[in-house]
Amino acid sequence: GENVEQHPSTLSVQEGDSAVIKCTYSDSASNYFPWYKQELGKRPQLIIDIRSNVGEKKDQRIAVTLNKTAKHFSLHITETQPEDSAVYFCAAKAANFNKFYFGSGTKLNVKP
Amino acid sequence: EPEVTQTPSHQVTQMGQEVILRCVPISNHLYFYWYRQILGQKVEFLVSFYNNEISEKSEIFDDQFSVERPDGSNFTLKIRSTKLEDSAMYFCASSLRAGVANQPQHFGDGTRLSIL
Repeated sequence: GENVEQHPSTLSVQEGDSAVIKCTYSDSASNYFPWYKQELGKRPQLIIDIRSNVGEKKDQRIAVTLNKTAKHFSLHITETQPEDSAVYFCAAKAANFNKFYFGSGTKLNVKP
Repeated sequence: EPEVTQTPSHQVTQMGQEVILRCVPISNHLYFYWYRQILGQKVEFLVSFYNNEISEKSEIFDDQFSVERPDGSNFTLKIRSTKLEDSAMYFCASSLRAGVANQPQHFGDGTRLSIL
């Protein structure tokens, strides 16, 4: 089955700096990669997703890049703000399977 | 914006008892999921459900677990003979489509299950 690895487990940045979180996956059949933000005690919320037919997607301060050859994808947050502080999870899903595999999460701390 | 709703928000149960966690997916969604998150750990897939049957399940989802869509709106997760290690947050999610035309999943607020 699929194995999703996520790094780093914790990330501390100064407000205004950029943050990058990386995930690798093992199953070349995976074709959908969502990213979720989870604040303490709350539900995971989708912040951006990417499908395997594109290499990059951007939504304001958030972007995701996908390298299918290397089987990794990354979340980029620019101009970080204290409210970006949360745990971020990546996930991967294969086209023919209705099953999502999550990474272990990255705790992002944005210091004011 | 429509939301996935889950009840109860917190369930406390004695070990060995049965629990039923309830979810109301977004009304026009077709795919339903249950996930588990042990405190401080990652979200783990349990099961997906489509067209009134299980489409995928993980190794966690053994005979102790079952899912049901008893009517047109509810989606339930039953855990029989609960164990201490079943203590976790359980999230329900739904999506409009899956497969080739993947659509985002929308998560509920979760049910915190505490087994004593």
